[in-house]
Amino acid sequence: QVQLVQSGAEVKKPGASVKVSCKASGYTFTSYEINWVRQATGQGLEWMGWMNPNSGNTGYAQKFQGRVTFTRNTSRSTAYMELSSLRSDDTAVYYCARDTQLNGMDVWGQGTTVTVSS
Amino acid sequence: DIQMTQSPSTLSTSVGDRVTITCRASQSISSWLAWYQQKPGKAPKLLIYKASSLESGVPSRFSGSGSGTEFTLSISSLQPDDFATYYCQQYNRYPWTFGQGTKVEIK
Repeated sequence: QVQLVQSGAEVKKPGASVKVSCKASGYTFTSYEINWVRQATGQGLEWMGWMNPNSGNTGYAQKFQGRVTFTRNTSRSTAYMELSSLRSDDTAVYYCARDTQLNGMDVWGQGTTVTVSS
Repeated sequence: DIQMTQSPSTLSTSVGDRVTITCRASQSISSWLAWYQQKPGKAPKLLIYKASSLESGVPSRFSGSGSGTEFTLSISSLQPDDFATYYCQQYNRYPWTFGQGTKVEIK
């Protein structure tokens, strides 16, 4: 079945970087964009940006420009989100989601908890 | 950025009730609106896309309507499995933006 499986929970110190992976299966990885969305505890959903796995093109929400990088490995059907200069308010669950462009984000990863604490 | 505003923030309701959630966009987004359901500790689940199209496998008691700047999500007869938080999201223009969420809770 179509699914996105993310890497496990991370604990990082302030100022460090984190890299979360998102492995796609059940569909052609390069046919759909991948979005990244995060959610702090008890808060709403916050869109971080998109990546086209075919071209490698990316777009980032202004809030994360300069701190976030989306990459992919097409041979492994895996997308990556790297966030640098971590702060305590980056503590959140990070989701990857398949973007159909016309029909919303129809498949989501299970989420990866990133905790930033000294 | 396009701002999405949902109302109400919380809805206390009972099984069998009809529920309506409103989402307003700060500018026209045509019909490029999706609705998601999220339960605690779980990823969001797509319910409705293009404002009124039902995602495959989603029960028909869910429906969406609207265009331009005003949208609604309706649940015709609330079931125990429907107690959750609901989010609208526009995908007319980057950056994609979400409403703040509506929590549907048991009265």
